[in-house]
Amino acid sequence: RKEVEQDPGPFNVPEGATVAFNCTYSNSASQSFFWYRQDCRKEPKLLMSVYSSGNEDGRFTAQLNRASQYISLLIRDSKLSDSATYLCVSRGNTPLVFGKGTRLSVIA
Amino acid sequence: DAGVTQSPTHLIKTRGQHVTLRCSPISGHKSVSWYQQVLGQGPQFIFQYYEKEERGRGNFPDRFSARQFPNYSSELNVNALLLGDSALYLCASSLGGMDQPQHFGDGTRLSIL
Repeated sequence: RKEVEQDPGPFNVPEGATVAFNCTYSNSASQSFFWYRQDCRKEPKLLMSVYSSGNEDGRFTAQLNRASQYISLLIRDSKLSDSATYLCVSRGNTPLVFGKGTRLSVIA
Repeated sequence: DAGVTQSPTHLIKTRGQHVTLRCSPISGHKSVSWYQQVLGQGPQFIFQYYEKEERGRGNFPDRFSARQFPNYSSELNVNALLLGDSALYLCASSLGGMDQPQHFGDGTRLSIL
């Protein structure tokens, strides 16, 4: 079983839609969680950290459920520029463990 | 402020050759990590260095080695290249704390012929 699992998608949504991605992790010792965004043939860029209390950054909301070992990302009012691959990331005693990513295409 | 810089941007090698990839972290960052990303997969951890000491090593063969210099820059070396080593090699730097996010460079795209 992969340490971090995500639905690879693709998610094809119209502009203005709300879309949610879920991710599960298997290592209960994981301490920190992040969402990264990766555009085609580019490097991953930090989108946001994920906290147990949940956190919001503009149109993006991240949630962490330690009991169920899952992380979510909600994108409201999707823009064309949100089209990318979203990588779910956990971190325990070693550096980052990435999921395969979920591909999002926002369509006009 | 400069972000993480990596060189070269692209590289083409043949099987059996060796390669050295270079990374300069964000100013003030003391931790450098290396990742390999093959097409369709998330990045896979190779090495982490902090204050010039190896802090972690991923599940990669001994053909892969790395080091960190006093100025916190780092090199990744790969010997006896195989076709399967073709990938995007990413360097990330951070302040070093466990809850600190890592910031990635543009990567080096390595193609093995």
